[in-house]
Amino acid sequence: DAKTTQPTSMDCAEGRAANLPCNHSTISGNEYVYWYRQIHSQGPQYIIHGLKNNETNEMASLIITEDRKSSTLILPHATLRDTAVYYCIVLRDNYGQNFVFGPGTRLSVLP
Amino acid sequence: DTEVTQTPKHLVMGMTNKKSLKCEQHMGHRAMYWYKQKAKKPPELMFVYSYEKLSINESVPSRFSPECPNSSLLNLHLHALQPEDSALYLCASSQETGGNQPQHFGDGTRLSIL
Repeated sequence: DAKTTQPTSMDCAEGRAANLPCNHSTISGNEYVYWYRQIHSQGPQYIIHGLKNNETNEMASLIITEDRKSSTLILPHATLRDTAVYYCIVLRDNYGQNFVFGPGTRLSVLP
Repeated sequence: DTEVTQTPKHLVMGMTNKKSLKCEQHMGHRAMYWYKQKAKKPPELMFVYSYEKLSINESVPSRFSPECPNSSLLNLHLHALQPEDSALYLCASSQETGGNQPQHFGDGTRLSIL
């Protein structure tokens, strides 16, 4: 599976958009980009995933560059409850779901 | 609220004890997973079950023994664990294995080995 790199930590003001970047320069054509987050003392929570096109759901938007070598997770209006570790994972299709979590980005939403 | 239920939430056991962790989902998912997460580290995959058959074992020591008695249940049997096995054990499930299938996680069992 392709390796991902993310900033170790980020801060965001409450009510502002949080933009979390992820680099996956060795991604292959059939590999999906997944985002999860983990709030302290809870299991990882699925946020969104995509292959080529930008995706949006009730939680966030995922912007994937045209060459697919990087992506950005956007939380449009961050709240204090969005403080968590955010993991970007690249997973190959039809490979058996071998998620390899990187260190992730610790997002702190500040009042 | 998570749709994957793990019990117990906390477990303290001695190195000679035998205990089991339980995971249950009622979403009709046919793939289930065990992960181990040490403090301040990301989760690490241990086992994958697909249609109740073990498909991936990430070189996990034999003192951890998984079992999938039916499509809704996943157990992890523990025996002769070491203090370094203290961690958060997470269970997850997905519709099937494959790249377009999000995994849904439980909140884990926090295990402490004395």
